[in-house]
Amino acid sequence: QVQLEESGGAVALPGTSLRLSCAASGFSFSRFAMHWVRQAPGKGLEWVALISYDGSKKLYADSVRGRFTISRDNSENSLFLQMNSLRLEDTAVYFCVRGDGPTEYYCPDKWGQGTLVAVS
Amino acid sequence: QSVLTQPPSVSGTPGQRVTFSCSGSSSNIGSKYVYWYQQLPGTAPKLLMYRDNQRPSGVPDRFSGSKSGTSASLAISGLRSDDEADYYCASWDDSLRGWVFGGGTKLTVL
Repeated sequence: QVQLEESGGAVALPGTSLRLSCAASGFSFSRFAMHWVRQAPGKGLEWVALISYDGSKKLYADSVRGRFTISRDNSENSLFLQMNSLRLEDTAVYFCVRGDGPTEYYCPDKWGQGTLVAVS
Repeated sequence: QSVLTQPPSVSGTPGQRVTFSCSGSSSNIGSKYVYWYQQLPGTAPKLLMYRDNQRPSGVPDRFSGSKSGTSASLAISGLRSDDEADYYCASWDDSLRGWVFGGGTKLTVL
């Protein structure tokens, strides 16, 4: 079955950087777009970024554009989120989510358990 | 402020039918599919409804979705105590060129 395991969450100072990783298994990773979605403590879901199946298209929420970079390594079935210039408001659980198809138009489908980033 | 608008809370008694509303605009719900997610306490969200009214395998037919214009609804019939969760709507937004979520509705089963 689809498994998504995030790692890399930590406590970070404002202005510093973190890199999140997501190890995927149980499906043909290179055929699916991937998302990062975050959830601040006690708050709702916020879509963060998306990368198409082949990495050719990357889209970002306004709140992170220019600071965060999404990437993938299809040979390693891995998804990444490079987070620079962290702000207090970036504090959240970050979920790695498989898209329901290869491009940006396919909804977030299967979710990992999330990794906590605390900017303090 | 979320792009999609949901009421913060809904409540019902076991066996009752409850509905969740989700309001958007022409750039999202009005022209794109709506999706619904269920997040049980302490867990990751789970896709509950896709393409307005389609249930993924394993989702009981007590759950149903509909859409009209720029608004969508999720209904749960035969309410059960283990339906208590947060429910989120989502859609692609053509203007923002990204995915948007509602703020979520907390369901309390009395």
